[in-house]
Amino acid sequence: EADIYQTPRYLVIGTGKKITLECSQTMGHDKMYWYQQDPGMELHLIHYSYGVNSTEKGDLSSESTVSRIRTEHFPLTLESARPSHTSQYLCASSPGGSNQPQHFGDGTRLSIL
Amino acid sequence: SQQGEEDPQALSIQEGENATMNCSYKTSINNLQWYRQNSGRGLVHLILIRSNEREKHSGRLRVTLDTSKKSSSLLITASRAADTASYFCATVPGGSNYKLTFGKGTLLTVNP
Repeated sequence: EADIYQTPRYLVIGTGKKITLECSQTMGHDKMYWYQQDPGMELHLIHYSYGVNSTEKGDLSSESTVSRIRTEHFPLTLESARPSHTSQYLCASSPGGSNQPQHFGDGTRLSIL
Repeated sequence: SQQGEEDPQALSIQEGENATMNCSYKTSINNLQWYRQNSGRGLVHLILIRSNEREKHSGRLRVTLDTSKKSSSLLITASRAADTASYFCATVPGGSNYKLTFGKGTLLTVNP
């Protein structure tokens, strides 16, 4: 399997807390992505990055923010968590060039009480 | 808007049988990819087929692509209980090399 790691795997936290979901990859991939997935549903792209200091919003509007100051690290932050943020968050990366598959982490399942 | 849409939404078969899942999409594509997701895990890439290809094989997997019908199919032959998972198709739209748009997936259950 691919070397992309997400922590924590599960997080249950109260409303209003600041949350950072970690994602790291050891493959040297330029491109990284964050997806949101509700149970039994499709993945929605919420953020992506084509390289260091490059971040873009995805197709699904999200109150989260991301940063990319190192190639291997792409954390996602929620400044003030709300119950509507309850979901699974999946991080992925891919190498440069067209027609390349994405490699996924195992996700963080987030529950906001 | 959703690009890929899988059919059926759920499929239950016996071990040893073949499983076929279909995917339809709406706009032109650079490539189409199939992924597997085991419960509670991330997605694992299975096969990528480019827009100028019609068929690809990988072990027990066979993928076809019909760009005139904007559809693809994934065939898993001689299924095993370990194949139980959700299967997603994802498209890279024409003009975009990297952004994937996923369908809702097919939940495949292989009964031993």
